[in-house]
Amino acid sequence: QVQLQESGPGLVKPSETLSLTCTVSGYSISSGYYWGWIRQPPGKGLEWIGSIYHSGSTYYNPSLKSRVTISVDTSKNQFSLKLSSVTAADTAVYYCSETVTLFDAFDIWGQGTMVTVSS
Amino acid sequence: QSVLTQPPSVSGAPGQRVTISCTGSSSNIGAGYDVHWYQQLPGTAPKLLIYGNSNRPSGVPDRFSGSKSGTSASLAITGLQAEDEADYYCQSYDSSLSDLEVFGGGTKLTVL
Repeated sequence: QVQLQESGPGLVKPSETLSLTCTVSGYSISSGYYWGWIRQPPGKGLEWIGSIYHSGSTYYNPSLKSRVTISVDTSKNQFSLKLSSVTAADTAVYYCSETVTLFDAFDIWGQGTMVTVSS
Repeated sequence: QSVLTQPPSVSGAPGQRVTISCTGSSSNIGAGYDVHWYQQLPGTAPKLLIYGNSNRPSGVPDRFSGSKSGTSASLAITGLQAEDEADYYCQSYDSSLSDLEVFGGGTKLTVL
């Protein structure tokens, strides 16, 4: 059974870079699928940040594209998110998830990790 | 402003039927892309409820059903139960120059 687990700092200073990692268990990332990041500001809805294919092809939300980098480390069976120049508006619960194709549902989700941007 | 539009809230009494709409456009739902629905209980991660417009993952009760027509989709819940009180989100793919994966703004279901 595939499981996802986010990890990373819970507090980031304004203008710095937010870095999170999602560790996948029960499935080898190199076997396929798209691996994505979705966030949810407190009291608000879901926002797709971006996705990466196991081969490394990336797809980003245009509104965040200039600040986002998603990468995959098949040796560790992990994929990562970096969001630069953060502001308070980037405060959110960050989820990692998986889709078979870009047209399919996010069928497995991590539990989420809260990241607060504050000095 | 979400690409997919959902009502902010719906409510119903136990045992009743409620529907939640999800309205898109010709670049997402209307282009033929599938709609998926998620249930988010308070303080938890979203859970896939309906995929591919009308399919239920294993373990999801048949009280939940989905449909799609034109540029809109709907989630129906029959035999409403207290544990159904949650936030519900629709999601699809968008082929315009905007987001690739798009979510609705979410609908809060209150069981009276």
